[in-house]
Amino acid sequence: SQQGEEDPQALSIQEGENATMNCSYKTSINNLQWYRQNSGRGLVHLILIRSNEREKHSGRLRVTLDTSKKSSSLLITASRAADTASYFCATDLYGNNRLAFGKGNQVVVIP
Amino acid sequence: GAVVSQHPSWVICKSGTSVKIECRSLDFQATTMFWYRQFPKQSLMLMATSNEGSKATYEQGVEKDKFLINHASLTLSTLTVTSAHPEDSSFYICSAQAGHSYEQYFGPGTRLTVT
Repeated sequence: SQQGEEDPQALSIQEGENATMNCSYKTSINNLQWYRQNSGRGLVHLILIRSNEREKHSGRLRVTLDTSKKSSSLLITASRAADTASYFCATDLYGNNRLAFGKGNQVVVIP
Repeated sequence: GAVVSQHPSWVICKSGTSVKIECRSLDFQATTMFWYRQFPKQSLMLMATSNEGSKATYEQGVEKDKFLINHASLTLSTLTVTSAHPEDSSFYICSAQAGHSYEQYFGPGTRLTVT
């Protein structure tokens, strides 16, 4: 089974709306990270949440972590067209910071 | 800061030839670099971990003789796809880690097309 699996559906929202995506994982983790990937480009680190944290904010991003349910959510508030991208969660599944990425959620923000 | 570059950004090669992809950390020393591949509309798959001055550690199912990794300095790691075949066509992305930080800084990726 793949660690860090997001809900598979793509999101299409209007600018200004909030976008929420989820990620689930199967084994214990030290931390969980969220990344953004614009089409055909590399990844940009968004936020890291440690296993002893429940919620973390960074600008318009809010990440929650529920270790009892082995799930995390990423909320983008007041979305902008520039937020159009694929979003991946990743966990240190293999140890030594060797990341296992989830399937990714494609978000399209319509101006 | 924390910029990682890859070269080339895209490459087309003929089946049977070898292709070298470079990954450089431009403004920091990367003790560890990682190589991933990504198929269209799919997630990233970790291929190997590259530590400066030592042999790379390959993930299960990745052929070490086909994907040669060299990490000769703290700012450069190379991935050579040997005897490339069309099924090796993919997006190859590297990332670099500074020290013991969790954060990985990703390169922009290299699109390889094997004809």
